[in-house]
Amino acid sequence: DAKTTQPTSMDCAEGRAANLPCNHSTISGNEYVYWYRQIHSQGPQYIIHGLKNNETNEMASLIITEDRKSSTLILPHATLRDTAVYYCILLTNTGNQFYFGTGTSLTVIP
Amino acid sequence: SAVISQKPSRDICQRGTSLTIQCQVDSQVTMMFWYRQQPGQSLTLIATANQGSEATYESGFVIDKFPISRPNLTFSTLTVSNMSPEDSSIYLCSVEGTADYEQYFGPGTRLTVT
Repeated sequence: DAKTTQPTSMDCAEGRAANLPCNHSTISGNEYVYWYRQIHSQGPQYIIHGLKNNETNEMASLIITEDRKSSTLILPHATLRDTAVYYCILLTNTGNQFYFGTGTSLTVIP
Repeated sequence: SAVISQKPSRDICQRGTSLTIQCQVDSQVTMMFWYRQQPGQSLTLIATANQGSEATYESGFVIDKFPISRPNLTFSTLTVSNMSPEDSSIYLCSVEGTADYEQYFGPGTRLTVT
């Protein structure tokens, strides 16, 4: 049921921005884009979400293209603690079920 | 945000036995969810559990194998019945958040079936 496509893995140098892409070409008008991450042996952690507009919080920024068919999660200054699997998920505003894709394994390199 | 605890954190069980996993939340929530994460894989939704009604199971999961209880707004259990080695996974519960249907996840229960 996952309708998102992400690269399997990425590396990022510590202190640099990490840009994680997600394709969701079949997104519906009422679907939000959510990002979660899972650090090894922990439950997934909410990062950020958006519908149309770009969003920013204390953890990250979310850039959604105008046609909403893709998005990018930006960690502005990656640290070693950001090493995790990052999941891009679509969720409708009428449902609560999260269907996880395979995610992107981000490794932050010292 | 909600604080979620799960018991046990891990267990090793014999084939053919059953294990009940508990999920406790520090606030009242309407919807709770159970997920399975097989080794090296992503999370798969097992079922949605609303207080006062039967759990709704996703395709490929059945109540006889994964019975769920939801006796109140802060607690739920998932039982993994008649276990086989293929049931070795991490089982996670989550609860709905307050904004835009976000979810908060528990730490997970790591189950190994021998």
